[in-house]
Amino acid sequence: AQRVTQPEKLLSVFKGAPVELKCNYSYSGSPELFWYVQYSRQRLQLLLRHISRESIKGFTADLNKGETSFHLKKPFAQEEDSAMYYCALSPASGNTPLVFGKGTRLSVIA
Amino acid sequence: GAVVSQHPSRVICKSGTSVKIECRSLDFQATTMFWYRQFPKQSLMLMATSNEGSKATYEQGVEKDKFLINHASLTLSTLTVTSAHPEDSSFYICSASESVGGEQYFGPGTRLTVT
Repeated sequence: AQRVTQPEKLLSVFKGAPVELKCNYSYSGSPELFWYVQYSRQRLQLLLRHISRESIKGFTADLNKGETSFHLKKPFAQEEDSAMYYCALSPASGNTPLVFGKGTRLSVIA
Repeated sequence: GAVVSQHPSRVICKSGTSVKIECRSLDFQATTMFWYRQFPKQSLMLMATSNEGSKATYEQGVEKDKFLINHASLTLSTLTVTSAHPEDSSFYICSASESVGGEQYFGPGTRLTVT
């Protein structure tokens, strides 16, 4: 069965400090991994996906198949990064449903 | 970018009545739409996958007779909560996917309160 685990419900960091939001997955094949973000009073939106290997808003995430992880990182947190972050897995590209983790609330303290 | 709208944004209804929630893809054609449910401070739970012109595929534990899904066109899917009860109160979110690319675009959600 597919499963996404985000071990931290809440993560608080000071502005300028590094951030790492953890995500581990369980899937026997080669999944697509995503990070979605939900800012206060806004809809869920895609932050980044592993296949694009890009950095969005200073965030990066590397897929580690050996550790089945897809941790989200940013070297210097900003106050505007405060939001709810969801890691998600899709068994394949195309019109397949996403399996979401429970989310981690990031709070960046000034 | 692709935009998905939901209507209404919030609705309050009495127990026993039915409520319809619309999900529209505004600037693209969505062959597939997904319906999620989100309880307070919890993650999104997939309820069903809706393909245009065919019956929806429901996740285990989701009553298809209670949560009626219709995907009559490439830009519209509806979720009808029939004979609503207070335990159906939740945040319902839809997403839509284009046939190519695979990214899901999310609607803003609909907060349903059943009194």
